[in-house]
Amino acid sequence: AQSVTQLDSQVPVFEEAPVELRCNYSSSVSVYLFWYVQYPNQGLQLLLKYLSGSTLVESINGFEAEFNKSQTSFHLRKPSVHISDTAEYFCAVSGNTPLVFGKGTRLSVIA
Amino acid sequence: GAVVSQHPSWVICKSGTSVKIECRSLDFQATTMFWYRQFPKQSLMLMATSNEGSKATYEQGVEKDKFLINHASLTLSTLTVTSAHPEDSSFYICSARDAGIGPRNTEAFFGQGTRLTVV
Repeated sequence: AQSVTQLDSQVPVFEEAPVELRCNYSSSVSVYLFWYVQYPNQGLQLLLKYLSGSTLVESINGFEAEFNKSQTSFHLRKPSVHISDTAEYFCAVSGNTPLVFGKGTRLSVIA
Repeated sequence: GAVVSQHPSWVICKSGTSVKIECRSLDFQATTMFWYRQFPKQSLMLMATSNEGSKATYEQGVEKDKFLINHASLTLSTLTVTSAHPEDSSFYICSARDAGIGPRNTEAFFGQGTRLTVV
């Protein structure tokens, strides 16, 4: 069975400050890892994913995440956040199964 | 990118009535679609896996007679909430996987969600 733990339910951060949203997973098989973002009353949008290859993956809007197999982590980082980054962020894991989601982290960017 | 369209985006219905939610993959074929339910400020909980041409697989605790799922084609799955009650009010989200070969079939594409309110 697979599971995902997002350690922080809420993360407030000032605009232009760096942020890290933590994600740990457990799985007995090789996994694919994802970060999704959800804006209020909307579905989920894929932010970035790790399938194989380079352990550092990047999104088009400045987020990056690093797959660390030894620590079973896939933390999401951004060096300088904007007000528009305020949203709910979900980490997810998948083998060849439906996605299993973490409980989400609410990122609030403060002006 | 792949697009999944979910309709309606919001619906209000009276207690005891049934509501149908559609999930369509617009530019790819999806042999498998997934239905999730999300309560306010909580994560997504998988309700069922919808397989084209066969019965859906429901997660433990999900009433299959209450949440009817039909996946009649490679681009359409429907979720019908039967005899809806106020406790069924929630945000329902579908997702679909590309049935083709390649890295895109590892990713799930999500609809925009349906806000159901039962009064």
